[in-house]
Amino acid sequence: DTAVSQTPKYLVTQMGNDKSIKCEQNLGHDTMYWYKQDSKKFLKIMFSYNNKELIINETVPNRFSPKSPDKAHLNLHINSLELGDSAVYFCASSQDFPRGEEQFFGPGTRLTVL
Amino acid sequence: AQRVTQPEKLLSVFKGAPVELKCNYSYSGSPELFWYVQYSRQRLQLLLRHISRESIKGFTADLNKGETSFHLKKPFAQEEDSAMYYCALTGRGMLTFGGGTRLMVKP
Repeated sequence: DTAVSQTPKYLVTQMGNDKSIKCEQNLGHDTMYWYKQDSKKFLKIMFSYNNKELIINETVPNRFSPKSPDKAHLNLHINSLELGDSAVYFCASSQDFPRGEEQFFGPGTRLTVL
Repeated sequence: AQRVTQPEKLLSVFKGAPVELKCNYSYSGSPELFWYVQYSRQRLQLLLRHISRESIKGFTADLNKGETSFHLKKPFAQEEDSAMYYCALTGRGMLTFGGGTRLMVKP
């Protein structure tokens, strides 16, 4: 089944902890993204990687560190979690940089920080 | 800077009524515009893009550069159209989403 997959689907943790969310795509795409969807459903890009290289970093705190071990994977590590980090995080991929390219989204990871 | 505005957070219509979800954008160059949809418990997916000039599930959207708009329309809404709709723009290598509009189609 070709798609963008994320693990875990749900993540509940305490403030101050460090956690990671994994993303994998088997579509053969060159570009991957992380988005954050807040409680008001506002969707905002966080990072974009093209061929394992960071190309977009949208003023995200340093506590968030993406890592792309290969083109098919883009993981998101978050240090010292804060209450405001609670959101749904979506991974996505596209064949190339998003000029007219469709982006394919993962199912999302709902992060709850207590 | 590029910006997408969806003025309506919620749009509620009856089945069979026409639907128009508004989208306005701000971008200095030639934008590529999209509509993405998120049905309940499903992932976000592309509905249509302006360069394709296609109709998907009865929805159409026309890019109006003069009014900087890309409104999504459907002449007769169906209950299965109930979902969250996002207008999006790409320019300078980044996809920017509007705030989203929740469409509720009542029986």
